Amino acid sequence: QKEVEQNSGPLSVPEGAIASLNCTYSDRGSQSFFWYRQYSGKSPELIMFIYSNGDKEDGRFTAQLNKASQYVSLLIRDSQPSDSATYLCAVGSDEKLTFGTGTRLTIIP
Amino acid sequence: GAVVSQHPSWVICKSGTSVKIECRSLDFQATTMFWYRQFPKQSLMLMATSNEGSKATYEQGVEKDKFLINHASLTLSTLTVTSAHPEDSSFYICSAGGGKETQYFGPGTRLLVL
Repeated sequence: QKEVEQNSGPLSVPEGAIASLNCTYSDRGSQSFFWYRQYSGKSPELIMFIYSNGDKEDGRFTAQLNKASQYVSLLIRDSQPSDSATYLCAVGSDEKLTFGTGTRLTIIP
Repeated sequence: GAVVSQHPSWVICKSGTSVKIECRSLDFQATTMFWYRQFPKQSLMLMATSNEGSKATYEQGVEKDKFLINHASLTLSTLTVTSAHPEDSSFYICSAGGGKETQYFGPGTRLLVL
């Protein structure tokens, strides 16, 4: 069974600091990796995707992938109160996504 | 781009009735759409994969006769919850495939069965 593990948090980070979110997955055949942000009561919103080992940067967000360690992370620089949400890690394989349970992030003003 | 809509956004119904939820990709064609269910404080659970013009593929444990899925066009998929019961109350979210497993989610439908 494919599993995606995340620390449920809550993770509290001061405004302006770097938030680091981590995710591990069990299926070595996974080919694509995604980070979604979900505000309370809303549906997930795609933030970033990454397919290759290494780092991928988009504005304040950086996704990091290490397939050998089956590990993917998301860094949020200059954290803002509006970044407070639950962040879902999703791993793609065979055209399907398997989601982690999410990490609840709170940015403290 | 990549906008997905869902209708209705919320619905309250009596036990035993059927509820239809529509999912539309507004600015792109989606060969594949997905239906998820999310209970409070839990992650998204894939219910079924819907392919245009063919039968949906259901995940293990999801009753295909209870959750009817139709994907009649490249921009529309529908989920019908038949004979709904209180335990079916949940947040139902659809997504449309954007290529290489990228999925764009609709805003979701909250179902409350009394």
